[in-house]
Amino acid sequence: DAGITQSPRHKVTETGTPVTLRCHQTENHRYMYWYRQDPGHGLRLIHYSYGVKDTDKGEVSDGYSVSRSKTEDFLLTLESATSSQTSVYFCAISASGTSGFSSYNEQFFGPGTRLTVL
Amino acid sequence: AQSVTQLGSHVSVSEGALVLLRCNYSSSVPPYLFWYVQYPNQGLQLLLKYTSAATLVKGINGFEAEFKKSETSFHLTKPSAHMSDAAEYFCAVRLIVFSGGYNKLIFGAGTRLAVHP
Repeated sequence: DAGITQSPRHKVTETGTPVTLRCHQTENHRYMYWYRQDPGHGLRLIHYSYGVKDTDKGEVSDGYSVSRSKTEDFLLTLESATSSQTSVYFCAISASGTSGFSSYNEQFFGPGTRLTVL
Repeated sequence: AQSVTQLGSHVSVSEGALVLLRCNYSSSVPPYLFWYVQYPNQGLQLLLKYTSAATLVKGINGFEAEFKKSETSFHLTKPSAHMSDAAEYFCAVRLIVFSGGYNKLIFGAGTRLAVHP
C-alpha cells in the first residue's frame, strides 16, 4: 500500500459537464500518473507529473487536463465530458529506493475511479 | 518504440493445471518488465518484475516469469492454478524518459484468467 487514495470512487455524469477526479498520496512521492483502463487496451497514460506544477501529456491526453499545486494531490479534469471518456481511471505513483541489497523503481496504483458519462 | 503484446485476451484453465500467460515485448534498450494482477473491482498489484538481475523471476502467490531475450518474451507461469488466481493480468515495459528523469509504463491489453473446478 503506497498510501494512494482516489475520489470519488464512482461517478455518473452527463455529456458536456465538467468532472474532476482527485488522487491523493501521503508519502511525498515526486512522480504521479493518471491512466485510463478500457477493455482491449490495457492501461493507457493520460498525463503525468514530475513535481509541483510540472506536468506533461501522455498518449491519450486529448480532452483532459491536470493540475498539481501540492505534492500530495494530482487532479484530473474532464472539461466537457463525453461518452468516450467512460472508463476506469487509475492514479499511480512512482517510488524508488533500496530494499536490502537491491534497488527498486516501481509504480504503485490507487484503487481506481469508475466514471460513466451518459 | 517500446511496446508489449499479450497473446490471448482470455485464458481458461482447470484448478490444479499449469497457468501460462504470454507476453512479448519490443524495446530498443534492455527492458525492465513487469507483471501486474488486477482482481475484480480493485487496482493493480505488482506480481513480479524483471530488472536484469536474473532471467527467472519469482513473484507473489507462486507466480514466476522467465525473461528470454532471444524470443523477446516474458511469459508468466504458475505450476498449479488456484481458484483465487482468477483475475486480469497485465504485462508492462518501462520506458525511461531521460530528459525528465522519470519513467512511464507501457501496458499490454491484458489477459483475463478464468479458473474452473
